[in-house]
Amino acid sequence: GQQVMQIPQYQHVQEGEDFTTYCNSSTTLSNIQWYKQRPGGHPVFLIQLVKSGEVKKQKRLTFQFGEAKKNSSLHITATQTTDVGTYFCAERRYNQGGKLIFGQGTELSVKP
Amino acid sequence: DAGVIQSPRHEVTEMGQEVTLRCKPISGHDYLFWYRQTMMRGLELLIYFNNNVPIDDSGMPEDRFSAKMPNASFSTLKIQPSEPRDSAVYFCASRPSVAPKQFFGPGTRLTVL
Repeated sequence: GQQVMQIPQYQHVQEGEDFTTYCNSSTTLSNIQWYKQRPGGHPVFLIQLVKSGEVKKQKRLTFQFGEAKKNSSLHITATQTTDVGTYFCAERRYNQGGKLIFGQGTELSVKP
Repeated sequence: DAGVIQSPRHEVTEMGQEVTLRCKPISGHDYLFWYRQTMMRGLELLIYFNNNVPIDDSGMPEDRFSAKMPNASFSTLKIQPSEPRDSAVYFCASRPSVAPKQFFGPGTRLTVL
């Protein structure tokens, strides 16, 4: 079963509002990856975080990895309609060929 | 680069029929992964290959599912016999050994009636 819990399941925002999705694990994560899946599309890699407390930014997206490496978050500032989709976190298991264990995803809808 | 190629994109079949899904990974990628996505269970890894060798098939739901990778540029996922609960989107993904990023194909949407 899922070992990476992701919340919320759904988020509806007005365009221009911020959005955050959270990923939590009961065990220490070796790393965390984030993917975006547009409606009807396939997952697309966004970023990988490896270090404790790591923060990375991609334009309006900010990714954080917790100090204890048990949680991660993705924050989008001033959402746009192009941000619509489902955002997944995933743990990459180094010692298992790099296979990904996905969270359940957060579906983001943006009202213009 | 054409990316990961999957065929067919859509498949509708009747219960009991054999289904074969196909994947062509990105050239030069050493790892190939098969995932299944459903509303109930999300994205699940079924099996992955390294250099054409199956490494971990612990996610394969049951004996009705089988996967092969006869060469570096082709893999199949077969379901025989298919059941309605197999209805899902099946994704193939590949990655090179030197990079963590997986590249997903467009998926095959399977409907078993």
